[in-house]
Amino acid sequence: QQQVKQSPQSLIVQKGGISIINCAYENTAFDYFPWYQQFPGKGPALLIAIRPDVSEKKEGRFTISFNKSAKQFSLHIMDSQPGDSATYFCAALGYDYKLSFGAGTTVTVRA
Amino acid sequence: KAGVTQTPRYLIKTRGQQVTLSCSPISGHRSVSWYQQTPGQGLQFLFEYFSETQRNKGNFPGRFSGRQFSNSRSEMNVSTLELGDSALYLCASSLTGQPNTEAFFGQGTRLTVV
Repeated sequence: QQQVKQSPQSLIVQKGGISIINCAYENTAFDYFPWYQQFPGKGPALLIAIRPDVSEKKEGRFTISFNKSAKQFSLHIMDSQPGDSATYFCAALGYDYKLSFGAGTTVTVRA
Repeated sequence: KAGVTQTPRYLIKTRGQQVTLSCSPISGHRSVSWYQQTPGQGLQFLFEYFSETQRNKGNFPGRFSGRQFSNSRSEMNVSTLELGDSALYLCASSLTGQPNTEAFFGQGTRLTVV
């Protein structure tokens, strides 16, 4: 059973546009929510992460929005570039030392 | 600072054989986790080690095992390989494995079972 639900499965955005990926969780024991970016043939790379006591975190063109009451969080990629074309995974970590991943979103940025 | 190093990068094995994969964490990181990535099941947790102790294990059969050494390097072993074990095996390291620290992944070992 997937503990973190991620949508959409894929999205296409024009260069300069905004990509939005949503995730939802049920387990209130989760206490850390990272996002990973993965290119074909590579391991996931940590992009940005947030704790549930913060509602928003921004790093460059990447922003996480977190809604603790709704148990939802999302990644916004502003000014999307062709180099952002990758698969993005949301994840959640509790005190069981186990990252639970969403199913992934393949983002394609058209030039 | 060197990242997480996994060896080998690629492996081809025959059904019934066993395989050992290695992971060297980032210097100073004591928590090492292993994940299996497949197109159908996504990223699934195998186990996590800290100071040579397994603290959690995922829902995988006993053919999957691991260990961690005193220098935090970790190995995972899969015995009696099955075709379904073909996957990208990823290792992640973090300072403590707890939600107050970040986890960094290696490039993975691509295992193909034929």
